[in-house]
Amino acid sequence: DTGVSQDPRHKITKRGQNVTFRCDPISEHNRLYWYRQTLGQGPEFLTYFQNEAQLEKSRLLSDRFSAERPKGSFSTLEIQRTEQGDSAMYLCASSLGSGIFNEQFFGPGTRLTVL
Amino acid sequence: GENVEQHPSTLSVQEGDSAVIKCTYSDSASNYFPWYKQELGKRPQLIIDIRSNVGEKKDQRIAVTLNKTAKHFSLHITETQPEDSAVYFCAALNTGTASKLTFGTGTRLQVTL
Repeated sequence: DTGVSQDPRHKITKRGQNVTFRCDPISEHNRLYWYRQTLGQGPEFLTYFQNEAQLEKSRLLSDRFSAERPKGSFSTLEIQRTEQGDSAMYLCASSLGSGIFNEQFFGPGTRLTVL
Repeated sequence: GENVEQHPSTLSVQEGDSAVIKCTYSDSASNYFPWYKQELGKRPQLIIDIRSNVGEKKDQRIAVTLNKTAKHFSLHITETQPEDSAVYFCAALNTGTASKLTFGTGTRLQVTL
């Protein structure tokens, strides 16, 4: 499968616990994005990387959220001290990000449920 | 920042009829407008996109129109089929200064037999 992959697909956790999600982009894509999608809404931008550099973060990304892309390949999104309001689908996307290649390809998402 | 509004939120059409979904955007610098289809429990998938130097683009039964002056763009699906039933999202992006897509709130399209 050469598409964007995410792991795990589902995560159930108790409030206050830390969780970490992983995204593997399409191999030649240098840009990687994280979005959050709640029921009945469109995806909302969280952050994006060009190679290993985190170039933009949304104000939605509180201090409890951190994302990394250490070698410019896969990325991790960690949520510390989870709250019930963090329950959502976390989507990762990747793109070539140069010239006319703007299409963002989405992964299947990680559905987080915070009890 | 960019703000994208989308309507209607739900749309029901009979098989074979046409469906139109409309979006407006606020940032006149936005120049790339993709449409994504999301089936229940699945990832958003790009179905068509348009850039600001083009007024219309067509791909088989799907077409998108863009009015830069009015800052709105529309998705047109002709000869709808049951497999067109899904949630459709429009989005906008300024490729020069930002990479984040700003999405609309989605339109749930149901194609009935």
